[in-house]
Amino acid sequence: AQKITQTQPGMFVQEKEAVTLDCTYDTSDQSYGLFWYKQPSSGEMIFLIYQGSYDEQNATEGRYSLNFQKARKSANLVISASQLGDSAMYFCAMREGLDTGNQFYFGTGTSLTVIP
Amino acid sequence: DTGVSQDPRHKITKRGQNVTFRCDPISEHNRLYWYRQTLGQGPEFLTYFQNEAQLEKSRLLSDRFSAERPKGSFSTLEIQRTEQGDSAMYLCASSIHPGNSGNTIYFGEGSWLTVV
Repeated sequence: AQKITQTQPGMFVQEKEAVTLDCTYDTSDQSYGLFWYKQPSSGEMIFLIYQGSYDEQNATEGRYSLNFQKARKSANLVISASQLGDSAMYFCAMREGLDTGNQFYFGTGTSLTVIP
Repeated sequence: DTGVSQDPRHKITKRGQNVTFRCDPISEHNRLYWYRQTLGQGPEFLTYFQNEAQLEKSRLLSDRFSAERPKGSFSTLEIQRTEQGDSAMYLCASSIHPGNSGNTIYFGEGSWLTVV
């Protein structure tokens, strides 16, 4: 079974609007971390936001927020006030356990295009 | 800029040739990771080091692949007798350990390999 599922291969959003990118995960661990990365065409994976499995509040980082629904095993990324520079691939990832050396499992990504 | 740097950024090689990629992590980071990313997929874990010790290797790392981090600083990933299926982007990342559970790993821009 896939550890991370991203069901939206591509998304379009109007500039200045908000957009939600979906992510569901599968794990039997109680301790895990959920991450979102942005990958522009240059290739670099840019860290956006982190949510720990024990965090009770949804994580926020500037225009990014993570809608964490533990019972549904979903960790959707919300980008508010979209900008043209937000056009990129977005990957959801999970790390099981608390050891930062544990491997990340990535989804297949969502390509976001921001329309002027 | 003191981020993760990778070299070369692009490599085209003939099938059967050997290639080597270099990664320089963020200077104070003691953990270094290699991931592979093929078109349309998220990154997949290959291996990671803590200082000079290689602590984990994925089954994806066949006998033709070898990674080293001799002095606990930069790392090399060598692929021997390249095959067309090796064509991918090879991403390096680094992190500090121990860190808090939210510590992410910071990626470089990747090295694109095309085997012809």
